[in-house]
Amino acid sequence: DQQVKQNSPSLSVQEGRISILNCDYTNSMFDYFLWYKKYPAEGPTFLISISSIKDKNEDGRFTVFLNKSAKHLSLHIVPSQPGDSAVYFCAATALHYGGSQGNLIFGKGTKLSVKP
Amino acid sequence: DVKVTQSSRYLVKRTGEKVFLECVQDMDHENMFWYRQDPGLGLRLIYFSYDVKMKEKGDIPEGYSVSREKKERFSLILESASTNQTSMYLCAVRPGLDNSPLHFGNGTRLTVT
Repeated sequence: DQQVKQNSPSLSVQEGRISILNCDYTNSMFDYFLWYKKYPAEGPTFLISISSIKDKNEDGRFTVFLNKSAKHLSLHIVPSQPGDSAVYFCAATALHYGGSQGNLIFGKGTKLSVKP
Repeated sequence: DVKVTQSSRYLVKRTGEKVFLECVQDMDHENMFWYRQDPGLGLRLIYFSYDVKMKEKGDIPEGYSVSREKKERFSLILESASTNQTSMYLCAVRPGLDNSPLHFGNGTRLTVT
């Protein structure tokens, strides 16, 4: 059973416009969420995170929104740049439960293409 | 920032071979992880270790084992490689607190023929 879902395998956006990547989760114990970016032939790199006590976190062009009641989070990139083209993974963890519950569960990823 | 080094970027092995994938961190962090990444499946946790000689199974441990004899090194072992283990293997380290993000190595692309 997939606990973290990224239902869009790919997304294409024009340079300068907004990119919105979506992620849904099913496990109500999840209380910490992260986004990673991955270029081909490289490991994923951490982008931004959000705790369940917040509904928004911002870092430069990247903003993550969390809707706990809908078990949904989204990553907004504004403005999008060609260098943002990569696969984006949403990940979740049950931090306060500790042990193996604290391990990250990843979604399947969304491939973002930003066209010049 | 912790540096995570995976010894091989690309490996080609034959079915039935024993395969060792090595991962080394340049600090003293306790938590290390092995994931595999497959198209359409995302990252799936194989094994993790929270200290020397300590290991726990992740979501897909079948066909794999691990070794952590020293804190800085975490090895993934394919006892008898099979074609369905062809994948990108990613090692990660979690520095410090539980809410610190994972730091990944650049991955090993393993092909089993």
